Amino acid sequence: DGGITQSPKYLFRKEGQNVTLSCEQNLNHDAMYWYRQDPGQGLRLIYYSQIVNDFQKGDIAEGYSVSREKKESFPLTVTSAQKNPTAFYLCASSMNGGQDYGYTFGSGTRLTVV
Amino acid sequence: GNSVTQMEGPVTLSEEAFLTINCTYTATGYPSLFWYVQYPGEGLQLLLKATKADDKGSNKGFEATYRKETTSFHLEKGSVQVSDSAVYFCALRNNAGKSTFGDGTTLTVKP
Repeated sequence: DGGITQSPKYLFRKEGQNVTLSCEQNLNHDAMYWYRQDPGQGLRLIYYSQIVNDFQKGDIAEGYSVSREKKESFPLTVTSAQKNPTAFYLCASSMNGGQDYGYTFGSGTRLTVV
Repeated sequence: GNSVTQMEGPVTLSEEAFLTINCTYTATGYPSLFWYVQYPGEGLQLLLKATKADDKGSNKGFEATYRKETTSFHLEKGSVQVSDSAVYFCALRNNAGKSTFGDGTTLTVKP
């Protein structure tokens, strides 16, 4: 079955370290997204990509970086410049070509700074 | 810009009670509307959608009708179960492909 896989499920980072969160999809979706979710809050868009080798900043891109070298993959790096990285990170994908398509989400990565 | 406003939670109901979670939106044009559900510790799952005015989306006993005149997309279920306990997100997607999510409403169903 097609789906979207995030790994790892739990990640611990020491202060000052960069960490990379993996997101892979086999749905043949063009667009991919990264969201951050803090406890009791909604989703905030970090970065998105509508096509390979192209991506745009979302609402809270500072301290994060991404790449989109393959259609299937959209890794997110949380850099040491991100001052408060502890959160639940969600990756999503969708077909392009209009507004009628919903998003498929991964199961998330919970990042904790120790 | 676009926005989605959901009723504040948490919502606590007894099993078999009727559920309504209100959602209103502001958008230019005619967006598509969605409800997603998030179970504890998991990602969001698409629950239902409606792509034009007066459409009704339905799935797993949940329903929502796209009301253009009131810019609303309220989620309803006639008889909730304990397993429906989750966070529910209303969202819209405009013709540029950009999505906007509400803040989520937490539902707890007690036996």
